[in-house]
Amino acid sequence: DAKTTQPTSMDCAEGRAANLPCNHSTISGNEYVYWYRQIHSQGPQYIIHGLKNNETNEMASLIITEDRKSSTLILPHATLRDTAVYYCIVRVEGFGGTSYGKLTFGQGTILTVHP
Amino acid sequence: EAQVTQNPRYLITVTGKKLTVTCSQNMNHEYMSWYRQDPGLGLRQIYYSMNVEVTDKGDVPEGYKVSRKEKRNFPLILESPSPNQTSLYFCASSGQRNTGELFFGEGSRLTVL
Repeated sequence: DAKTTQPTSMDCAEGRAANLPCNHSTISGNEYVYWYRQIHSQGPQYIIHGLKNNETNEMASLIITEDRKSSTLILPHATLRDTAVYYCIVRVEGFGGTSYGKLTFGQGTILTVHP
Repeated sequence: EAQVTQNPRYLITVTGKKLTVTCSQNMNHEYMSWYRQDPGLGLRQIYYSMNVEVTDKGDVPEGYKVSRKEKRNFPLILESPSPNQTSLYFCASSGQRNTGELFFGEGSRLTVL
């Protein structure tokens, strides 16, 4: 799997948009960008994923650059409960490709939402 | 309810005493994997399994064993635990019918004295 690079930490004011960047310059054509978050020491939770088009769901939006070398997770109206570690990973969707199995999460970005 | 269940959630043991952390999923997922999480090191993959009887090493497999005799279960075995295996462990699963997202268990905090 391609490796990702994220800032170690970020701050955001409650009610404002939180924009979390991720660099994945070696991403392959069949690899998707996935985002997870981990609150305290709970199991990580899936947020969103995408290939090349921008994606939106009830939790967040994902913006992927045209060259697919970077992406941004957007939490449109951050709340205190969004304080967590956010992980960006790349992997093939479903069972395609040999890179499906081995996954590297990295250290993620610690997002702190303050009042 | 779709879930990944790990047991035990907390365990304190002593060096050399064999232990098994169980992981079970009720979603008929083909893929299962184990991770350990240590301060400053993020989530590191220990082993993964693409299907029954198919397992492979992740980034940090030393000191661990796994087995996948049934689709729903993927136990993590520490034959001779050592203090450097004190960690928070997560099991995760993913299925061919979904979009590749991983479903994680709640974690097992293991302390080896």
